Amino acid sequence: EPEVTQTPSHQVTQMGQEVILRCVPISNHLYFYWYRQILGQKVEFLVSFYNNEISEKSEIFDDQFSVERPDGSNFTLKIRSTKLEDSAMYFCASRERGGPDTQYFGPGTRLTVL
Amino acid sequence: QKEVEQNSGPLSVPEGAIASLNCTYSDRGSQSFFWYRQYSGKSPELIMSIYSNGDKEDGRFTAQLNKASQYVSLLIRDSQPSDSATYLCAVKPTSGTYKYIFGTGTRLKVLA
Repeated sequence: EPEVTQTPSHQVTQMGQEVILRCVPISNHLYFYWYRQILGQKVEFLVSFYNNEISEKSEIFDDQFSVERPDGSNFTLKIRSTKLEDSAMYFCASRERGGPDTQYFGPGTRLTVL
Repeated sequence: QKEVEQNSGPLSVPEGAIASLNCTYSDRGSQSFFWYRQYSGKSPELIMSIYSNGDKEDGRFTAQLNKASQYVSLLIRDSQPSDSATYLCAVKPTSGTYKYIFGTGTRLKVLA
């Protein structure tokens, strides 16, 4: 069964460094998403991406964040100048165009900012 | 501010019992509703989606939707210890938005 994959599974970085989180959505899906979940808190929407552009973003998704689809398979989330409060699980999700609007989540990347 | 509310639990049920999980949402125009299961440290795993008022059954799971009351529930029959997890309610608000809004989740403990 096709699934969303994410790398790395765990990323440790120093405060102020840049990180890139990678996702490979399900191959026939055209809508891509990033969510984050701070430990013990709810899953929060960050951004959605369709047709090579951001379709919607939350107030969390400020200038520190950017997304990119550098090729036909990868979808990345870049966090510049990481802060301690960026420590969280980051989930990528995708859904197909048309049909049910069900989002399928990847396994997540645990980001730890020291 | 669109909200999705869930009782955080834990909800403890004995093995073999029915577990009932509830969720309310604030956006009356919401059209799509989802239940995800999340084990500790893992990603949300889709259990069911529901779009119309009434019940939808899939194996041991039944989702119930009442749009007039802005209420979604999930029933788990014949609960098993492996069902012990956090159950997340997610709502896609009125069309024109792409995101899900998640509740905080209800932690379910099935006691053997």
